[in-house]
Amino acid sequence: QSVLTQPPSVSGTPGQRVTISCTGGSSNIGAGYDVHWYQQLPGTSPKLLIYGSRNRPSGVPDRFSGSKSGTSASLAITGLQAEDEADYYCQSRDSSLNGWVFGGGTKLTVL
Amino acid sequence: EVQLLESGGGLVQPGGSLRLSCAASGFTFSSYAMTWVRQAPGKGLEWVSTILGSDFTTYYADSVKGRFTISKDNSKNTLSLRINSLRADDTAVYYCARTVREDYIGALGYWGQGTLVTVSS
Repeated sequence: QSVLTQPPSVSGTPGQRVTISCTGGSSNIGAGYDVHWYQQLPGTSPKLLIYGSRNRPSGVPDRFSGSKSGTSASLAITGLQAEDEADYYCQSRDSSLNGWVFGGGTKLTVL
Repeated sequence: EVQLLESGGGLVQPGGSLRLSCAASGFTFSSYAMTWVRQAPGKGLEWVSTILGSDFTTYYADSVKGRFTISKDNSKNTLSLRINSLRADDTAVYYCARTVREDYIGALGYWGQGTLVTVSS
């Protein structure tokens, strides 16, 4: 049971917009710590999609965007493509744990 | 090009020990915080430990505190994780990761391919 809560699964059709939520608390997202998002394709290492809640590393398409408000954050994917089918994880720092935490992960299915 | 190459995984009996290594290249190793993340079979990502690049301050997940030791050899560009008192629930792929920027300690922009640790008798 992670301190960052994500929906286990989301789905969408090609071209659609989907969002994945990440809900934390006062010791992590609510404390002002940045949220980072990762994509993990089957059988591969995770890839950083968003850092600092809304920044994209070079090479990440602008179809991916991040936002944060209060104790929650969201990852939005527009123009959904079949290749976006993967597991997505949020991550933040937690002052109570004196470390970092990942959300439980969300499996995105492109129908 | 940033490269991270883990090694040292394998099959270990419960209660045993292991030392994982991560050979880094393509960047100034001493300037960056480094992190170990693990993933149990079919499960999600779990942050394990981080060591800062400048002063070697270390952080550990509660689940590994007292059993795992992270270290960084800036002269050899190598990150290590010493694992003692291994338990079945330590079975996982262990990833070595580097921050995306020097000033974003937690944002892991570069990952190795992982090394599998299996704890079983």
